[in-house]
Amino acid sequence: AQTVTQSQPEMSVQEAETVTLSCTYDTSESDYYLFWYKQPPSRQMILVIRQEAYKQQNATENRFSVNFQKAAKSFSLKISDSQLGDAAMYFCAYRSAIRYDKIIFGKGTRLHILP
Amino acid sequence: KAGVTQTPRYLIKTRGQQVTLSCSPISGHGSVSWYQQTPGQGLQFLFEYFSETQRNKGNFPGRFSGRQFSNSRSEMNVSTLELGDSALYLCASSYRTLSSSGNTIYFGEGSWLTVV
Repeated sequence: AQTVTQSQPEMSVQEAETVTLSCTYDTSESDYYLFWYKQPPSRQMILVIRQEAYKQQNATENRFSVNFQKAAKSFSLKISDSQLGDAAMYFCAYRSAIRYDKIIFGKGTRLHILP
Repeated sequence: KAGVTQTPRYLIKTRGQQVTLSCSPISGHGSVSWYQQTPGQGLQFLFEYFSETQRNKGNFPGRFSGRQFSNSRSEMNVSTLELGDSALYLCASSYRTLSSSGNTIYFGEGSWLTVV
């Protein structure tokens, strides 16, 4: 069974600085999707960034980028120029591209932005 | 393009009652999934519906059920409510066909259920 592990329950970063959130996963599949979702206090789950496993190039969305290491099964999220609005719970998630299956979420990392 | 819409947003029920939550997916999305979020258990998959059929089911008791209508709207029902059913229930919408699945899943704002 697939698992997703986020080893940092909480992190803090100074406003305008860069922070990296870690995520590792375990799977025997070769084709899958990885996601980072942000859940602010409103509790709406917002898609931050998506990575297809078959793509070697790391995904980037404005200030958000990932470091996807397929062999190491690692998928970290880098947030550059952190802003107060980035404060939220961040979930790393996995979904098979082969089987029509559920999303598997990590436990989340709560990110605090220090003014 | 409208996002995923969940109703009601907040509700309070008494133990033993039943509740129905509704989800309207993004236009063009045929797959609707439901997740339960609690502080202790995190995000747990309930079930997924596509083409009016339940395609996947999580590890929840039979008190949790759902259905999907021909317009892809979905409802989930919880009968004989227990205190432990208090949670945020999230609906997710994605594109899907019988032979392929979309690579992006969008969530609604959730329905907060409190059981007293």
